[in-house]
Amino acid sequence: EAGVAQSPRYKIIEKRQSVAFWCNPISGHATLYWYQQILGQGPKLLIQFQNNGVVDDSQLPKDRFSAERLKGVDSTLKIQPAKLEDSAVYLCASSEGQGSNQPQHFGDGTRLSIL
Amino acid sequence: GENVEQHPSTLSVQEGDSAVIKCTYSDSASNYFPWYKQELGKRPQLIIDIRSNVGEKKDQRIAVTLNKTAKHFSLHITETQPEDSAVYFCAASRFTGRRALTFGSGTRLQVQP
Repeated sequence: EAGVAQSPRYKIIEKRQSVAFWCNPISGHATLYWYQQILGQGPKLLIQFQNNGVVDDSQLPKDRFSAERLKGVDSTLKIQPAKLEDSAVYLCASSEGQGSNQPQHFGDGTRLSIL
Repeated sequence: GENVEQHPSTLSVQEGDSAVIKCTYSDSASNYFPWYKQELGKRPQLIIDIRSNVGEKKDQRIAVTLNKTAKHFSLHITETQPEDSAVYFCAASRFTGRRALTFGSGTRLQVQP
């Protein structure tokens, strides 16, 4: 089966600019996650979607980050305006069903560098 | 919320030796514990997982053990090979309430040929 697709793979922007990332989950996977992975750390959840509804966005910096999954399939994550501390890899993951205790499959991520 | 601690942060072993990575978690309601392998610049890949109704699970050279009473779980890799070199992450999640995975900080495993 095709895996989780993400684009772009790399993005370099200056601080205060905006950026958007795209994710297409594995076909049929109802749950989609966005994680932020800072160099040398484990992934940290930003937002979790169940179909097109938000399940958990408690760790999303809502003053600058937004995400949507309008048709319950692919998703976009946006940062506006970007700060230096947003430099990280942004990983998208998906899983079947409704529980979070199901295997999550990750995409290759988008490496964001803020100048 | 959940807190997952992982150690050691780095581990170097000789090819053919065993490697053990340990994690502890704080939320007694957590019931799902996956392990991911991440090679440099690549996606985290699920290598094994365990649920709280099971104490041990094996898949060829990899095994995971879970002690719910002590709230810790461990990854065991036997007969290590150079291609096992990577960063390994443990994680935990619960089925109700806040259900997302909480990851440990990672262990960099280096297998010396």
